Amino acid sequence: DTAVSQTPKYLVTQMGNDKSIKCEQNLGHDTMYWYKQDSKKFLKIMFSYNNKELIINETVPNRFSPKSPDKAHLNLHINSLELGDSAVYFCASSHPLHTDTQYFGPGTRLTVL
Amino acid sequence: AQSVTQLGSHVSVSEGALVLLRCNYSSSVPPYLFWYVQYPNQGLQLLLKYTTGATLVKGINGFEAEFKKSETSFHLTKPSAHMSDAAEYFCAVSDRIQGAQKLVFGQGTRLTINP
Repeated sequence: DTAVSQTPKYLVTQMGNDKSIKCEQNLGHDTMYWYKQDSKKFLKIMFSYNNKELIINETVPNRFSPKSPDKAHLNLHINSLELGDSAVYFCASSHPLHTDTQYFGPGTRLTVL
Repeated sequence: AQSVTQLGSHVSVSEGALVLLRCNYSSSVPPYLFWYVQYPNQGLQLLLKYTTGATLVKGINGFEAEFKKSETSFHLTKPSAHMSDAAEYFCAVSDRIQGAQKLVFGQGTRLTINP
């Protein structure tokens, strides 16, 4: 039983392409997040949705657009990919009454050539 | 704004030795503090957290951490290291926003265990 799952696990693409990463959680959580981990392992939050509403939006380029079709899913679409977008992207979720504990997915390693 | 500094990007200890990973935080409000572990090619797993109450918190796998307000520290310890403890460890402080927690991470400490 995978709690937070992401697809694909690896994504290799060319500069300028548009790609999406999908995230699903089966924990019944209301809040979901996207984090970016760069090549130096530094982790930074990008977005958070609570019950399909955007509540955290860090200084992320407009090329990144999160989409939450329902509470269990938070997808990340990236337009016009750049070399600097290469990173590992993690999805996470938390319970509405216990937001201090986040459950992370396994990550998607994006490589832009 | 909250921030976290982890002292030492790489810590190496012998199996059976004490593990000490250092974390100092900056926060304008009473902090919620966390330690997460990341094993190679995996996501993050919560080790332990401090929100309120007892300042010494125990987590999984024999780890514990003590919140010291006067020192603005939240160091992670384990009395006896195991080979399986080799991983990347992240300290984090959270900025509480309605319905969510914005985690601010330190730069991470890679723990190596020598046989």
